[in-house]
This record gives sequence, C-alpha cells and structure tokens, in this order.
Amino acid sequence: ETGVTQSPTHLIKTRGQQVTLRCSSQSGHNTVSWYQQALGQGPQFIFQYYREEENGRGNFPPRFSGLQFPNYSSELNVNALELDDSALYLCASSPGQSSGNTIYFGEGSWLTVV
Amino acid sequence: AQKVTQAQTEISVVEKEDVTLDCVYETRDTTYYLFWYKQPPSGELVFLIRRNSFDEQNEISGRYSWNFQKSTSSFNFTITASQVVDSAVYFCALSVRKLNTGGGNKLTFGTGTQLKVEL
Repeated sequence: ETGVTQSPTHLIKTRGQQVTLRCSSQSGHNTVSWYQQALGQGPQFIFQYYREEENGRGNFPPRFSGLQFPNYSSELNVNALELDDSALYLCASSPGQSSGNTIYFGEGSWLTVV
Repeated sequence: AQKVTQAQTEISVVEKEDVTLDCVYETRDTTYYLFWYKQPPSGELVFLIRRNSFDEQNEISGRYSWNFQKSTSSFNFTITASQVVDSAVYFCALSVRKLNTGGGNKLTFGTGTQLKVEL
C-alpha cells in the first residue's frame, strides 16, 4: 500500500465527452504527477504539480489539464475524449518536486473511450 | 532526451529458477536516478529500488539484487529462487537531475518485461 488513492477505478466514456480523474497523495507528499499507460506500453509522463502549480509537462495536448488543491490532492481532466485516450491513468506522489525523489504510484484509473 | 530499453518482452521461468531482467538506458546528464517498479495485474506500480548515478555499489535485498554498470549504461535486476507471486510486469525507469525546477521529477519508463513464473 503506497497511500496514493485514485478514483474512479474503472470508467467508460463516449468519444467527445469529458472526464475527471481524482487522486489523493500519500501523507506528507506535496508533489503529484500523472502518467498515461496504454496497453502493452510503459507509462508516459503527462504533467506534474507542486504546490498547486504545474511545473513540468510531457508531450500531451492542452485538452489534458490538471489541478492540485491545498491538501495536495489532484485532478486530471481530459476534454474532447478520443479513442486513443483509452488507457490506464496513474497518479503518483513524491515528497518533493526534485528529480531523484522516489515516486509512489496509485492503482490507477482504467479509462475506456468508445 | 532520455531513453530506457528493455529488450526482453516476456520471460517464462519455472519456480525456484533465478531470472535476470535487463535494462539499458540513455542520457547525456551526468546525474541521474534509476528505478525498478513491479506492476501486478491490478495495475499499481510498486516501487522496488532506486539507485543514484554516483553510487555504483550493487546491492542484494532478500531475493532481489541489482547490477548497475555505468560503463555499459545498464541496470539489471535479478530475482533469485523465483516464486509464482513474482509474476508481473517489471519496469525500469530513469529520471535526471535538473539544476532548475523546470520539468519536475519526470520518470522515463521502458516498455516493460512480462515475467511469468510457473510451478
């Protein structure tokens, strides 16, 4: 148990819809990052939040956005869903924003877009 | 840019056999960090080990051991006396030190190695 919790666990959406995924970080961790993992692939970095601000982003379009709240929990929002957005979305937390901090992952949210 | 290669897509062993998972990384940064994660079917990535680029001392922890070779940019992971519960996908990952905070703490993952341990 990493202490990182995500919701919902599974969900199905229709192409063009919007989705919000939620994450609670491990106690004491102020940094949250999100990853997308397509079937059979390694996780891909979407973005990272530190103290409520985005401080790093991977190669994802602007329709992927996020928020971090004062309690360090976070949301990932995806607008205008496409079929290729079907994936496991992993939230992770770490005790700081610096590289080298160990990152702990939640169990993920399985998103299917039909 | 960073890159992690896990050439082994799938490995099958019989319980109690030793198994080594290979990882080769690429980075131009002189300070970096290497990780191994385990992903069971539930989806959660379980942290196993972290090594710093300036610490090449290899380590054994229970049935797990790691071989970090900077000269060949490899960070291999060995399970001794494998068990059925070790069956999972194993990911090698890399993050690099940023002098400023831009880019955050991003992990670059390999494509994973599916390990199947059978009775």
